Amino acid sequence: ETGVTQTPRHLVMGMTNKKSLKCEQHLGHNAMYWYKQSAKKPLELMFVYNFKEQTENNSVPSRFSPECPNSSHLFLHLHTLQPEDSALYLCASSQELAWQTGELFFGEGSRLTVL
Amino acid sequence: SQQGEEDPQALSIQEGENATMNCSYKTSINNLQWYRQNSGRGLVHLILIRSNEREKHSGRLRVTLDTSKKSSSLLITASRAADTASYFCATDDSGGGADGLTFGKGTHLIIQP
Repeated sequence: ETGVTQTPRHLVMGMTNKKSLKCEQHLGHNAMYWYKQSAKKPLELMFVYNFKEQTENNSVPSRFSPECPNSSHLFLHLHTLQPEDSALYLCASSQELAWQTGELFFGEGSRLTVL
Repeated sequence: SQQGEEDPQALSIQEGENATMNCSYKTSINNLQWYRQNSGRGLVHLILIRSNEREKHSGRLRVTLDTSKKSSSLLITASRAADTASYFCATDDSGGGADGLTFGKGTHLIIQP
């Protein structure tokens, strides 16, 4: 138990569906992250939020839409995805940002399959 | 762009032996971290070494950092079957100002009982 909870753990969706991934952290951290993990590729940083404000968007397609209503919750809204978007989506949080020597605490991930 | 790159990609050893994994990176860093991931699970932080440190220990883990070569190594001593997992190095980018960590592809470690 890392203190970061992701739901759902598994999601199957069609290309025309709209779904959301949810992440909640109980650690009192200020920064939250979405990473994408595909087979045989390094983890890809998607978005970073610090004190609810987005500080980084790594050229992520607009079919992925993040939302951070407060420092404890982070969502990833999904719509009109492609099969190549199938991956493990990992949420993480940290007290400080990476360049401030922030250790990341990860959730268990949401396994997404796009048909 | 990819920052850390682990070597080897896969490693299989007998229980009780030591396992060594290497990581190379490209830019200046403030710190380097090692993480572990069991199959299909989230990553777990193992150890952090700052750019002004050369070696750090935590239990059976020993990490070295050579900033002149832009490389790090993770040594797991007296390996156990439960150490079977993928291991990733992660770096910040002190020059680029990125707010997240950049991870390598990882080393998949298998400990044979």
